[in-house]
Amino acid sequence: EADIYQTPRYLVIGTGKKITLECSQTMGHDKMYWYQQDPGMELHLIHYSYGVNSTEKGDLSSESTVSRIRTEHFPLTLESARPSHTSQYLCASSELYEQYFGPGTRLTVT
Amino acid sequence: DQQVKQNSPSLSVQEGRISILNCDYTNSMFDYFLWYKKYPAEGPTFLISISSIKDKNEDGRFTVFLNKSAKHLSLHIVPSQPGDSAVYFCAASVAGGTSYGKLTFGQGTILTVHP
Repeated sequence: EADIYQTPRYLVIGTGKKITLECSQTMGHDKMYWYQQDPGMELHLIHYSYGVNSTEKGDLSSESTVSRIRTEHFPLTLESARPSHTSQYLCASSELYEQYFGPGTRLTVT
Repeated sequence: DQQVKQNSPSLSVQEGRISILNCDYTNSMFDYFLWYKKYPAEGPTFLISISSIKDKNEDGRFTVFLNKSAKHLSLHIVPSQPGDSAVYFCAASVAGGTSYGKLTFGQGTILTVHP
C-alpha cells in the first residue's frame, strides 16, 4: 500500500483567493507529479519534479505553481483562484514507472 | 493530439464473465504501459503493467496483452466481479530521456459488472 497524502480532500473557495493544495509521500520517491482531471476526461500532467529543487511544467498549461524543498513534500499553489480552476487535482509519486496516487483534492471555485 | 486512446467510454459485463478493455496508442516511442483503476472521489490505483519487450503479463485475474505492431493493448479481467466496477485508465511512458517516468493517459473506460 502506497503512502501518499493530499489535503484538503474537498475545497470550495471564492474567486480571487490564494490556495495551496498539500501533497506528501512517505516512500522516499524522488519523482512527484501533479495531474488535473475533469469528469470523463484523461489525467493531464500539469507539474512534475525529479527531486529536491527540481520542478518542471507538464503537458497541460496551468496557472498554478509548485515547489519541492523537501523530498516528501510537493505543494501546489494557485495565487488567485478562478472558476476555470474548478477540477480534481491528483498528486502522485514514483520510483520507476509505476506512479502511486493520493486520494485527490476536489476544488470548486465559485 | 491524443497519443493514448480508449475508444470505448463504457463497458457492461455480467459477473463471472470476461471483461476486455482496449487501448490504442500512436507514439511508437512508448515502451512501457500501465493500467489503473479509479473509483469516484479516489485517486487511481495501479493494477498491472507491461514492458514492450513482452507481449503478455498476468497477475491473478488480470492479464494485459500488448500488440506492438498494431500499437494496441488490452486488459482482460477473468472472472469479472461487481467490485471491479470502476473507471479503467491505460497509460504509456517513454523510457529514458527527459520524458522518463512521465505517463500519458487515455480518457478511461467505465466498467460496470452486473451481479
